[in-house]
Amino acid sequence: EAQVTQNPRYLITVTGKKLTVTCSQNMNHEYMSWYRQDPGLGLRQIYYSMNVEVTDKGDVPEGYKVSRKEKRNFPLILESPSPNQTSLYFCASSPDRDRAGQPQHFGDGTRLSIL
Amino acid sequence: AQSVAQPEDQVNVAEGNPLTVKCTYSVSGNPYLFWYVQYPNRGLQFLLKYITGDNLVKGSYGFEAEFNKSQTSFHLKKPSALVSDSALYFCAVRDGGYSTLTFGKGTMLLVSP
Repeated sequence: EAQVTQNPRYLITVTGKKLTVTCSQNMNHEYMSWYRQDPGLGLRQIYYSMNVEVTDKGDVPEGYKVSRKEKRNFPLILESPSPNQTSLYFCASSPDRDRAGQPQHFGDGTRLSIL
Repeated sequence: AQSVAQPEDQVNVAEGNPLTVKCTYSVSGNPYLFWYVQYPNRGLQFLLKYITGDNLVKGSYGFEAEFNKSQTSFHLKKPSALVSDSALYFCAVRDGGYSTLTFGKGTMLLVSP
């Protein structure tokens, strides 16, 4: 089954404790992206990657890191999480950003609570 | 800069009645427009898109959307609502195919029995 898998689905942690949210897709997609969803703000893009070893900042990159060492994986790293990063996070992928008509496939989300 | 507006936080409709969820956009080039739906505890699911061609596009689950260039709108419609259509709906736009996707804030659709 074609899917985007995120782990963990839920995480409660404390300020300053490094964490990684994994994202994996099995569709051989080149383009991957991370979003955060906050009430009243919709989805905002954090980082995106057009292909292996190519990443770029989205609208709200502060406090986050990403890497794209393999085509299928795109982990989101919070080096020193803070309470304002409490949010619902989504990973998404699509075949190729230059084929802009292709819709994105989303994971089921990761709910992070930073205390 | 591109932007999307969904002017209604919530839309209420009775089952069997037609529904409309509004979306307006702003881009400098040609718009690529999308509608996604989010059910509780799930990620966004693609419903339909407009890239070019007919202004009325049909998508999944009986939904359709009408592209209106003069009004810069892309409203989502369905002739007869179902209770199971209750969900959060997002409109999204990409400017000319070479930019990131910008989402609206979302509209909660509540269909009552």
